[in-house]
Amino acid sequence: EAQVTQNPRYLITVTGKKLTVTCSQNMNHEYMSWYRQDPGLGLRQIYYSMNVEVTDKGDVPEGYKVSRKEKRNFPLILESPSPNQTSLYFCASSFRSSGIPSTDTQYFGPGTRLTVL
Amino acid sequence: RKEVEQDPGPFNVPEGATVAFNCTYSNSASQSFFWYRQDCRKEPKLLMSVYSSGNEDGRFTAQLNRASQYISLLIRDSKLSDSATYLCVVNIGEQAGTALIFGKGTTLSVSS
Repeated sequence: EAQVTQNPRYLITVTGKKLTVTCSQNMNHEYMSWYRQDPGLGLRQIYYSMNVEVTDKGDVPEGYKVSRKEKRNFPLILESPSPNQTSLYFCASSFRSSGIPSTDTQYFGPGTRLTVL
Repeated sequence: RKEVEQDPGPFNVPEGATVAFNCTYSNSASQSFFWYRQDCRKEPKLLMSVYSSGNEDGRFTAQLNRASQYISLLIRDSKLSDSATYLCVVNIGEQAGTALIFGKGTTLSVSS
């Protein structure tokens, strides 16, 4: 089954304790992204990757790191989490249709609910 | 500034009603346009892409007006299962997924 998986789904941690949220897709997508979703603010892009070893900042990259060493995996790293990083996080992957117009469908993972105390 | 604006609602309608959502975007270089649906605490899922000529998928019709930088979604004959938040999404990048801007969503509640 084509899917994007994230782990863990729920995490409660304390300020300053490094954590990694994993993301994996089995659709051979080149593009992967991380978003956070907060009430009243909607979905905001943290980082994205166009291919292996190619990553770039989105709108809210501060306090986050990513890596893309393999095509299928795109982990999100919080080196020193703070309470303002409490949020719902989504990983997504996408392809670009060869047709016109492109669909650019984003496939989202189920989300990771992170609480930083 | 990159922005996608939507009326947050909520839109409360009875079954069978027709409801329309509007969305405006600020970046004239926007390349492609979408409507996503998000159920409570779940991941967003693509509802439909929006084409310049307008497009229809069953009870759903999407329209794009590039000159006015305006996107719409029309839902006819609303069902209880249509209750969700609808996200207007604009891609301002040249390649998929590089610069997706999400609206904050419009909440629809369909009642019997």
